[in-house]
Formats: sequence, C-alpha cells, structure tokens
Amino acid sequence: AQSVSQHNHHVILSEAASLELGCNYSYGGTVNLFWYVQYPGQHLQLLLKYFSGDPLVKGIKGFEAEFIKSKFSFNLRKPSVQWSDTAEYFCAVNPSGAGSYQLTFGKGTKLSVIP
Amino acid sequence: DTAVSQTPKYLVTQMGNDKSIKCEQNLGHDTMYWYKQDSKKFLKIMFSYNNKELIINETVPNRFSPKSPDKAHLNLHINSLELGDSAVYFCASSRQGGGTGELFFGEGSRLTVL
Repeated sequence: AQSVSQHNHHVILSEAASLELGCNYSYGGTVNLFWYVQYPGQHLQLLLKYFSGDPLVKGIKGFEAEFIKSKFSFNLRKPSVQWSDTAEYFCAVNPSGAGSYQLTFGKGTKLSVIP
Repeated sequence: DTAVSQTPKYLVTQMGNDKSIKCEQNLGHDTMYWYKQDSKKFLKIMFSYNNKELIINETVPNRFSPKSPDKAHLNLHINSLELGDSAVYFCASSRQGGGTGELFFGEGSRLTVL
C-alpha cells in the first residue's frame, strides 16, 4: 500500500514570502498525485493534480507543484503568499488506474500567513 | 447549488446515543465516500460505495453503518456513540472510481460526543 508523508506540520510565513511544502510518497508503481487545500471551516478542494506528462503542474491561485520521480516527491510551491492562503494543505496519492477509493492523504501542513 | 451537501453540519450528543449524518451529491457521480478527520486533521477513509455497492470498508467499528439508497446518497449511521467518535466527518464523491482520484468534498459534519 502507498503512503504519504508531509514533512512540515505548521509553516508560518509573512505575506509575499515564497512557499514550498514538502510531500513524499512511497509506492513501487506509477501514481497520480494531488494537493488539496482546506480553508478554515471549509471543505477540502482540489488545488492541483498530476497524472502524467509535464512534471511541473500549475493549479489555481498561483500554486504549482513539481513531480520528481527519482525523489518520490511532489512539493507544492507559490512564489508569493497572501494572507488568504492561510489554510491546511494535504498531499494525496493513488496508484494510477486504481481508483479514487485508494486515495491516501498525508497528515496535512498548516500554513499561517501573517499580514 | 452545493455539489456535495451534508446534514447536519454540527452534532452534539451524549455517549451511548445513536446518530445519523446524511449526504447527497448532485454531480452525477457513481462513487461516494465517508472520511473521518480527527483533531489532528488526519483524514482517513472509512467507506466507499460505487453505484450503491460497498467497495471499501476500512477498519471501522461495526457501530458505523453506511447506507446508500441510491447512487446520489450515502448516509452514515453511528450506534452507541463513544468519546473517540468525536471528529469531522466528510462525505465525498467522484466519477466512477476508475482512476483520477479527484474527490469532491462536502463541508463536513462536526460530531462532538460528550
């Protein structure tokens, strides 16, 4: 079975700082990779996803993530964060073709952006 | 229109009681899920239904019983509630679980057991 680890439990940044949240997964085959975001008091929503092709994927609100296969990583980045990016960020993975019911989430990283 | 809606949003109850949470999706999806998010924000899948059939049943106590009357609805009934059941329960849906992994979540139902 696959697993996901997110290295940072809580990240605190000032507005305009650059962001990088780490995500590593373990699985022997090909995978689909996702970042979900949960704003305070709200439901999770998809930020971006990688299935195949260009390993640099762009998502909503200026976020991007890079899949580095050799490192089993899918780190999330944003050049300049805003206060409104304060949220919990979850990395998720499922084996390619396995179906959404095999989606495994990491434990999440809380991002606090200080105005 | 809310794509995935859950009721109630908040539920406070005593230990030993029985409670239900309802979920409905209007996305035309075939697959629905229940996830539990604990106080540390860890998300864990509990159940998955595909076209009203149970696909995934993770290690969840028998006190939890999902019911899917049709593919647009997936309800969760919990018997004999315990303190450890306090959590946020998220319903989600996806297209036929054939591999994208993109889930659409409801807004969650916060259950507090006293």
